Amino acid sequence: SQKIEQNSEALNIQEGKTATLTCNYTNYSPAYLQWYRQDPGRGPVFLLLIRENEKEKRKERLKVTFDTTLKQSLFHITASQPADSATYLCALDDRSNAGKSTFGDGTTLTVKP
Amino acid sequence: DGGITQSPKYLFRKEGQNVTLSCEQNLNHDAMYWYRQDPGQGLRLIYYSQIVNDFQKGDIAEGYSVSREKKESFPLTVTSAQKNPTAFYLCASSIEAGGHYTQYFGPGTRLTVL
Repeated sequence: SQKIEQNSEALNIQEGKTATLTCNYTNYSPAYLQWYRQDPGRGPVFLLLIRENEKEKRKERLKVTFDTTLKQSLFHITASQPADSATYLCALDDRSNAGKSTFGDGTTLTVKP
Repeated sequence: DGGITQSPKYLFRKEGQNVTLSCEQNLNHDAMYWYRQDPGQGLRLIYYSQIVNDFQKGDIAEGYSVSREKKESFPLTVTSAQKNPTAFYLCASSIEAGGHYTQYFGPGTRLTVL
């Protein structure tokens, strides 16, 4: 069966460190993978998209990698700040059903000052 | 302002009653979605619609119904057949661009069944 797993239910790090979140999937053939941020009581907000033929994507302090052999994406936040504290969701669309995204359960990140 | 709106923000319902959640977008997006989110969990797809007058069941459609009579609107009805309807409901919209769909979410409606 298809599955998306985001490892570490919760991640606590010190301000200034790099946070690394993982997203593993099985039985999907995604053309791309997306990362969203969700604050408590709010809807998710899109952060980054990475395509299957891209190894790495950067946006300011954010970096995403995508390894289709390992079936894994890593999401990094460098020089983390308390304002980065949120839940981060990965989402992917299978090739056979583009437009129907499946979301992982998310990883809650807490950055302590 | 372009965006996606959901109303109401909080909704209380008595057991056995149907209730309709509103979702409107002025982004001119073709596709719209409804998700359910339970505490500490991710998003589960209830229904989605990629074009007006057409919609498909998601992973947990039982006890829910939708309509898509206008491009801008995608209301969700939670029926009395839904056994555990208390949850946070999120609506989203998207448009195909460069072979991918990025979703834009509304602020959500928190439904509580009393």
